[in-house]
Amino acid sequence: GQQVMQIPQYQHVQEGEDFTTYCNSSTTLSNIQWYKQRPGGHPVFLIQLVKSGEVKKQKRLTFQFGEAKKNSSLHITATQTTDVGTYFCAGPVRGAQKLVFGQGTRLTINP
Amino acid sequence: NAGVMQNPRHLVRRRGQEARLRCSPMKGHSHVYWYRQLPEEGLKFMVYLQKENIIDESGMPKERFSAEFPKEGPSILRIQQVVRGDSAAYFCASSLRGAGANVLTFGAGSRLTVL
Repeated sequence: GQQVMQIPQYQHVQEGEDFTTYCNSSTTLSNIQWYKQRPGGHPVFLIQLVKSGEVKKQKRLTFQFGEAKKNSSLHITATQTTDVGTYFCAGPVRGAQKLVFGQGTRLTINP
Repeated sequence: NAGVMQNPRHLVRRRGQEARLRCSPMKGHSHVYWYRQLPEEGLKFMVYLQKENIIDESGMPKERFSAEFPKEGPSILRIQQVVRGDSAAYFCASSLRGAGANVLTFGAGSRLTVL
């Protein structure tokens, strides 16, 4: 079946360092979505990318959607302790109205 | 403007008991999804419902699990004869139209512990 893979599974950084997580789909996606889950919390929608090659920024977060619409990345510049959590990418399943989520990248930060 | 409401937030059951988890979608949303998250793992799709209809239950275990979304009232995920492996966080999410083009709004989750 359709799969969405994320790497790395875990990332530990010093506060102030940059962080990147990568997402790869086994199939072309009509769009890709990113969610953040704080420890003990629930997933919260961050952004949706639709166009091939699209780049969107939210303050220190930069999201990219690949040209082939099969991969995406999230880059955080100068991490802060508030960035701690697990970041999930998700893509729609072709022919079905549901999202398949990547395994997530868990970010921990050393203050 | 309440978001997606789930209850109970925490539920403890002994093996063999039943667990009922409830979800009220965001106002105006008629599409409801249930996801399961095992400790330290990702979100696994279970079931997709609209009012009075199960649209996709391909992620639901064949036995002991059922879901409904009646015309009136919340969506309910029911787990019969719980086992230790059912211990997980169960998240409900809703969307204005079907997820895919539309984003999901998640509830706070129901954390089930089976003793």
